[in-house]
Amino acid sequence: NAGVTQTPKFQVLKTGQSMTLQCAQDMNHEYMSWYRQDPGMGLRLIHYSVGAGITDQGEVPNGYNVSRSTTEDFPLRLLSAAPSQTSVYFCASTRGDYGYTFGSGTRLTVV
Amino acid sequence: EDKVVQSPLSLVVHEGDTVTLNCSYEVTNFRSLLWYKQEKKAPTFLFMLTSSGIEKKSGRLSSILDKKELFSILNITATQTGDSAIYLCAVSGGAQKLVFGQGTRLTINP
Repeated sequence: NAGVTQTPKFQVLKTGQSMTLQCAQDMNHEYMSWYRQDPGMGLRLIHYSVGAGITDQGEVPNGYNVSRSTTEDFPLRLLSAAPSQTSVYFCASTRGDYGYTFGSGTRLTVV
Repeated sequence: EDKVVQSPLSLVVHEGDTVTLNCSYEVTNFRSLLWYKQEKKAPTFLFMLTSSGIEKKSGRLSSILDKKELFSILNITATQTGDSAIYLCAVSGGAQKLVFGQGTRLTINP
């Protein structure tokens, strides 16, 4: 049972490049979310999904897109990377009656 | 706007001490409050509290929720160096969204 799998673990982008952070879970969880973590700011919600085909914005959605075509996958797209998007990104999932399970994170640097 | 505030932001104690970490919140449609421990990588789940006044315990860690006063505390007794970590408080509101506090960085010195 793999839990929540994020790829890649590390990435360096140039300003203006686009990329997709992958997230997959094998626990049949309905709810999935993307967070970013910056020093001294805890985790901030970027986008979330309550089921396949349904997504919504969180606290800091600008510059990011998501889609949820299957229950298992919830990719996060950076449309045009900016240095302000340098952060650690976590994907998480839950079935709704227990705490979220987090992936191991993606450390993204935009230069 | 939903808000979670943790205090202190940083705490340094000696091994064997007891620590209390605080979490206050303002969240619409409150469902639960969760505590996580974060070492080098992803947050790992400690407790979920939904009912006021009921203490959750796991070894040397315990937590309690006060829904009237909108806060929770996390206690760690007989601290060990392995307890050094960032402790995150989060509140679950509508649609299972988690709102996190800034975290408390706990350092245990031998």
